[in-house]
Amino acid sequence: EPEVTQTPSHQVTQMGQEVILRCVPISNHLYFYWYRQILGQKVEFLVSFYNNEISEKSEIFDDQFSVERPDGSNFTLKIRSTKLEDSAMYFCASSARAGLSTDTQYFGPGTRLTVL
Amino acid sequence: KQEVTQIPAALSVPEGENLVLNCSFTDSAIYNLQWFRQDPGKGLTSLLLIQSSQREQTSGRLNASLDKSSGRSTLYIAASQPGDSATYLCAVRPLSAGGTSYGKLTFGQGTILTVHP
Repeated sequence: EPEVTQTPSHQVTQMGQEVILRCVPISNHLYFYWYRQILGQKVEFLVSFYNNEISEKSEIFDDQFSVERPDGSNFTLKIRSTKLEDSAMYFCASSARAGLSTDTQYFGPGTRLTVL
Repeated sequence: KQEVTQIPAALSVPEGENLVLNCSFTDSAIYNLQWFRQDPGKGLTSLLLIQSSQREQTSGRLNASLDKSSGRSTLYIAASQPGDSATYLCAVRPLSAGGTSYGKLTFGQGTILTVHP
């Protein structure tokens, strides 16, 4: 069964460093998302992406964050200058079509980001 | 702003019991509602999706209901098994202005379920 994959599974970085989290969505999906979950807190929406542009973003997704689909298979989240509070599990998700009420989002296993 | 709340926060039951997990949301203008399962340190597995026009959805031992007007959904698990132990998350997809939806999900905090043998 097709699945969303994410690399790396765990990333440790120093405060102020740039990190890139990578995702490979399900191959025929058109809509892509990033969410994050700080330990012990709710899963929070960061950004949605369709047709090579951001369709919606949350207040969390400030100028330090960017997303890109550099080729036909990868979807990346870049954090330019990491802060301690960016430590979280980051989930990538994809869906076939966001325009249908039957559309299911499929989540990857997550990347645990630890900022020291 | 949509808020999603799940009760109870944790539930421990003996194997074989039927159980109900509750989810409530503050804004009834939703596109659909999804129930997910999350195992410790793992990703989210979609269990059921209910469209806003539906009342319930079933998959195996799982049955989810939706009462949009009252802002409630329940997940019923029949004949629980130790393998059902996990955190169960409810997420709503709101309608944006103009009746569209870009897919953003708003999550509850989850119910931690433990089924002991």
